[in-house]
Amino acid sequence: AQSVTQLGSHVSVSEGALVLLRCNYSSSVPPYLFWYVQYPNQGLQLLLKYTTGATLVKGINGFEAEFKKSETSFHLTKPSAHMSDAAEYFCAVTYPGGNNRLAFGKGNQVVVIP
Amino acid sequence: KAGVTQTPRYLIKTRGQQVTLSCSPISGHRSVSWYQQTPGQGLQFLFEYFSETQRNKGNFPGRFSGRQFSNSRSEMNVSTLELGDSALYLCASSLRASGNYNEQFFGPGTRLTVL
Repeated sequence: AQSVTQLGSHVSVSEGALVLLRCNYSSSVPPYLFWYVQYPNQGLQLLLKYTTGATLVKGINGFEAEFKKSETSFHLTKPSAHMSDAAEYFCAVTYPGGNNRLAFGKGNQVVVIP
Repeated sequence: KAGVTQTPRYLIKTRGQQVTLSCSPISGHRSVSWYQQTPGQGLQFLFEYFSETQRNKGNFPGRFSGRQFSNSRSEMNVSTLELGDSALYLCASSLRASGNYNEQFFGPGTRLTVL
């Protein structure tokens, strides 16, 4: 079964500093990988995705992530944190040719310190 | 184009009652998936519907059920509510149910509180 691990439920970052959220997946076949963001009292918004092709993917709001097959990782980064980045971030996985079922990590609550 | 809408946004019920939540997908989308979000268990897949048929089901008891109508709108029902059913229930829609990548668009969720 597919699974996703996100370490550190709460992540504090200073405004202007690097944001790094780690995601590792468990899979026997090449997965599709996603990062979603959730603001308070809202649903999930897709930040970026990896399906095929270039392993470094760029998303909205200045975020990017790199798929590393050898490390089974898909870490999310942003060079400079902004106060508006305070939210919860989820890594998710599904498989090509399959159904739409997403398996999510536990999430990272990001706090931006001014 | 309107996004995914969920009604109601907030619900308060008591143990033993039943509840029905509604999801209207983006126009033209035929697949609807439901997820439960709790602080302890995180985001868990409930089920997926496509063309009025349940295509996939997560590991939830039979008290959780759903259906999809011919206009792709979906409802989920929880019977005999328990305190642990308190959660944010999210609905997601996509164009198709399978094949290559199908982006899922999430609604704002229904916050269910069971007292």
